[in-house]
Amino acid sequence: DAGVIQSPRHEVTEMGQEVTLRCKPISGHNSLFWYRQTMMRGLELLIYFNNNVPIDDSGMPEDRFSAKMPNASFSTLKIQPSEPRDSAVYFCASSLDKVIGYTFGSGTRLTVV
Amino acid sequence: AQTVTQSQPEMSVQEAETVTLSCTYDTSESDYYLFWYKQPPSRQMILVIRQEAYKQQNATENRFSVNFQKAAKSFSLKISDSQLGDAAMYFCAVGVNTDKLIFGTGTRLQVFP
Repeated sequence: DAGVIQSPRHEVTEMGQEVTLRCKPISGHNSLFWYRQTMMRGLELLIYFNNNVPIDDSGMPEDRFSAKMPNASFSTLKIQPSEPRDSAVYFCASSLDKVIGYTFGSGTRLTVV
Repeated sequence: AQTVTQSQPEMSVQEAETVTLSCTYDTSESDYYLFWYKQPPSRQMILVIRQEAYKQQNATENRFSVNFQKAAKSFSLKISDSQLGDAAMYFCAVGVNTDKLIFGTGTRLQVFP
């Protein structure tokens, strides 16, 4: 199993540009999570999906952020327009059973200049 | 709502010695799950150990073990025979009925030869 695959690994963009982060969960996992990690705020849950349906998006910071999961093998997190304060590492994780825990992707380091 | 507190921002240990990382949590749920994740400099989040709250026996995975005190809502991680490769950020997390995990702020562990 290739694990949770995120792309790109690094992204540098200018303020105001649209950014799209991508995630492929482990095959068969039915839950997918997007987290943001910063020094100031630690690991914050942005949104999670169960069976491709968004369950809780209360962590999405503002309307500039949106996430989709069109099928069981793909999800995107989009920021439009991006701002310097969005600079962070964004993790995607998937799980099959809450008892077992998550498998994380290797993250996307986003830098907005 | 669930909260997780890691009161030790940094810890250090000498190689081959034992170190304990603290974690306390708060939840009103009776059924929940606890996890420790490791984040080395590569930034990959790796599941170290997990514990189901209804199980009284402390979980053990090789050199890693937990001291789960349910009444005190404490879930500490003990690393025995510390190795240089154990140097990382360690995050405690709690999950309840839903799949989402709430993470603590992390403890940075340094291992000295």
